[in-house]
Amino acid sequence: AQTVTQSQPEMSVQEAETVTLSCTYDTSESDYYLFWYKQPPSRQMILVIRQEAYKQQNATENRFSVNFQKAAKSFSLKISDSQLGDAAMYFCAYRRSGTYKYIFGTGTRLKVLA
Amino acid sequence: DTGVSQDPRHKITKRGQNVTFRCDPISEHNRLYWYRQTLGQGPEFLTYFQNEAQLEKSRLLSDRFSAERPKGSFSTLEIQRTEQGDSAMYLCASSLDPGYTGNTIYFGEGSWLTVV
Repeated sequence: AQTVTQSQPEMSVQEAETVTLSCTYDTSESDYYLFWYKQPPSRQMILVIRQEAYKQQNATENRFSVNFQKAAKSFSLKISDSQLGDAAMYFCAYRRSGTYKYIFGTGTRLKVLA
Repeated sequence: DTGVSQDPRHKITKRGQNVTFRCDPISEHNRLYWYRQTLGQGPEFLTYFQNEAQLEKSRLLSDRFSAERPKGSFSTLEIQRTEQGDSAMYLCASSLDPGYTGNTIYFGEGSWLTVV
């Protein structure tokens, strides 16, 4: 069975600094997608960034980028120039290609210090 | 397009009562999902609809839970004879065909259930 592990329950970063959130996963599949979702307090979960497993190039979305290490089954999220609005729970998620079920990690709470 | 909406946002109920949550997906989305999220955990899959057909139910969905999606539009999740262990946030999400590269699911804000 596929699993997603986030080993950092909480992280803090100074405003304007860079932070990296860790995620590892376990699967025997070769074709899948990985995601980072952001869940602000009392607000809906939104997609931050997505990575297709068949792509070697790491995905980037503005200040957000990932370090995808397929052999190591690692998928970390780097947030550059952190802003107060980045404070939220961040969930790493996995979905096997062609399926609809997402498997989420337990989340990392990110605090941004002014 | 106002996104995925859920109602009610918060519900406090006494143990043994029935509760029903409603989800209105993004209008053109034919896929609809229910997830449950407890404190300190990530969302866990409950069930999935393709149009009006319920294609999969998780083992987490006991016989006290029932979900419907009449006419492939909005969906309801009913919990009968609620127990304290049912206290959680119930998340609804919708999407287009997940087979397409780049497809993703869009979540609602969730419905918090507290069973006292």
